[in-house]
Amino acid sequence: DVKVTQSSRYLVKRTGEKVFLECVQDMDHENMFWYRQDPGLGLRLIYFSYDVKMKEKGDIPEGYSVSREKKERFSLILESASTNQTSMYLCASSFVNTGRGSKNIQYFGAGTRLSVL
Amino acid sequence: AQSVTQLGSHVSVSEGALVLLRCNYSSSVPPYLFWYVQYPNQGLQLLLKYTTGATLVKGINGFEAEFKKSETSFHLTKPSAHMSDAAEYFCAVSDKHAGGTSYGKLTFGQGTILTVHP
Repeated sequence: DVKVTQSSRYLVKRTGEKVFLECVQDMDHENMFWYRQDPGLGLRLIYFSYDVKMKEKGDIPEGYSVSREKKERFSLILESASTNQTSMYLCASSFVNTGRGSKNIQYFGAGTRLSVL
Repeated sequence: AQSVTQLGSHVSVSEGALVLLRCNYSSSVPPYLFWYVQYPNQGLQLLLKYTTGATLVKGINGFEAEFKKSETSFHLTKPSAHMSDAAEYFCAVSDKHAGGTSYGKLTFGQGTILTVHP
């Protein structure tokens, strides 16, 4: 089974703190994604990475950065946490779509519920 | 740009009743289509997908969905609801072409919370 592991299920941080959310996948997937989930808004893509050290902005990158130093690990960084970043954060991974198999199926971690006070 | 609309943020059914969750998408070409389910305090789990071929696809837990190109729809159904089906359901689309700049990104709908009454 594909396993995507997020390091924390719940986090409470203070405004202005630097926050690291970690995600590890064990399926040798090339692509990794960070989403935030808010009620009524579905999932919104923050950043994604298609290779080590490669990253692309998603739809809502402001206030976030990412790091991918190893293929299996993708970190989301909140440089200076703010209360409007209180949310559920979901990590996902997938194979590159080569036209055979995969077909862009993403596998998700259990999520990290972050509260910024 | 692709977009996904799920009609109804909340759907409530009785146990044993038909479940129908609606999803419409906009895309310049027929995309890959997905339904994911999220149980409380968990991540998303793939329920079913349409890529090519037969337009009626079957997924886990008795769910199925039909791709209707003319209606740009991919509605999710289950003939008889069970209490364990209570969850939030997300419809998603992605580009079909391999590699390139899409990188397999998914665009999600807003989600539909399904409540099942005894």
